[in-house]
Amino acid sequence: EIVLTQSPGTLSLSPGERATLSCRASQSVSSSYLAWYQQKPGQAPRLLIYGASSRATGIPDRFSGSGSGTDFTLTISRLEPEDFAVYYCQQYGSSPPRTFGQGTRLEIK
Amino acid sequence: QVQLQESGPGLVKPSQTLSLTCTVSGGSISSGDYYWSWIRQPPGKGLEWIGYIYYSGSTYYNPSLKSRVTISVDTSKNQFSLKLSSVTAADTAVYYCAREVGALDYWGQGTLVTVSS
Repeated sequence: EIVLTQSPGTLSLSPGERATLSCRASQSVSSSYLAWYQQKPGQAPRLLIYGASSRATGIPDRFSGSGSGTDFTLTISRLEPEDFAVYYCQQYGSSPPRTFGQGTRLEIK
Repeated sequence: QVQLQESGPGLVKPSQTLSLTCTVSGGSISSGDYYWSWIRQPPGKGLEWIGYIYYSGSTYYNPSLKSRVTISVDTSKNQFSLKLSSVTAADTAVYYCAREVGALDYWGQGTLVTVSS
């Protein structure tokens, strides 16, 4: 089973700043099958990024994903007030089980 | 637009079986392009993948839950279901159903299931 470790646990930033979230895998994620989700309180997670770097439908271009192998990054170029939420990475490589990181909470400074 | 909706009891007694159904609308569960998944989230905690099913009935379960989980599909009703046996308080969580196309692109709103006597 691939273990995903996200850092930092909490990130405190101001609107307009740049956010960089990290996701590290315990072994290589095949074909960069890595996704990022945003979750706001009381809501289901929303898919932001799949395939490590492809934006899902309707996701603003201030969200970008990068990385391969065991190291992946989600970047939010200029934070909007609605971006403050919890972010999860997930791997969906060739062999289940799917696994999630423990989450990064992005809070307003 | 694909929509998923979970339904089932919000309260289950310890040692009993949790049963939930996910109804899919706006698309056919038999299309063959997707897996249909269950994910849960204990209050205040992170996400845990439970397992998925293909329209043909083939399944894969999280090894940590495999002995207690059954996921089934009813293509005639465009639904898939989750059964989790021998539940304890540790199974209290919001349970989500979702469509998997590799990543999980459509999610239900989630349903809170509390295990308590």
